[in-house]
Amino acid sequence: DTAVSQTPKYLVTQMGNDKSIKCEQNLGHDTMYWYKQDSKKFLKIMFSYNNKELIINETVPNRFSPKSPDKAHLNLHINSLELGDSAVYFCASSQPPGAVTQYFGPGTRLLVL
Amino acid sequence: DAKTTQPPSMDCAEGRAANLPCNHSTISGNEYVYWYRQIHSQGPQYIIHGLKNNETNEMASLIITEDRKSSTLILPHATLRDTAVYYCIVLIIQGAQKLVFGQGTRLTINP
Repeated sequence: DTAVSQTPKYLVTQMGNDKSIKCEQNLGHDTMYWYKQDSKKFLKIMFSYNNKELIINETVPNRFSPKSPDKAHLNLHINSLELGDSAVYFCASSQPPGAVTQYFGPGTRLLVL
Repeated sequence: DAKTTQPPSMDCAEGRAANLPCNHSTISGNEYVYWYRQIHSQGPQYIIHGLKNNETNEMASLIITEDRKSSTLILPHATLRDTAVYYCIVLIIQGAQKLVFGQGTRLTINP
């Protein structure tokens, strides 16, 4: 029943590790996004994929690599985790053109120790 | 995208109308005004959007001034569950939407 789901909900890991966050949407949307919300609560877009093709790529370290195996999934892989990567990561989806609504997932809380 | 200015926080009594202002004095003619909210620890939730005319849906009403330089989101009968951070965003509708969230207004509904 869930529209946009993310796994895991919580992720605690050590510096230097590699981790992945998964996102799935069952809305039939063509476009998916990753946003990062830092400790100061600012929400910033990181990436967007449309039909498995990268269309938005903000200034994000190349340790972050999104992967879209199909249009219903957008995963985020992070290499060599750093303390500053600790944040809440939100996945979202929308259906352009004229996409007036983005549907957000519940978030993945990443803590790097 | 045009910048927006919102008060950092507001309070409202339960059952009363909550009026959240937003200034967007540099908005261009083809930019829409969107409102999202984020209830604690959840993902942002779309509320409403508009271009020129006032809009109403089951969640809220959006009043846009004639010069489009400001707008007001109205929650007609606020409940405790409306306590959240409310974001006013302006952008052009084209393809993928890059939502740019500011600090928003932290609305607290008091019993």
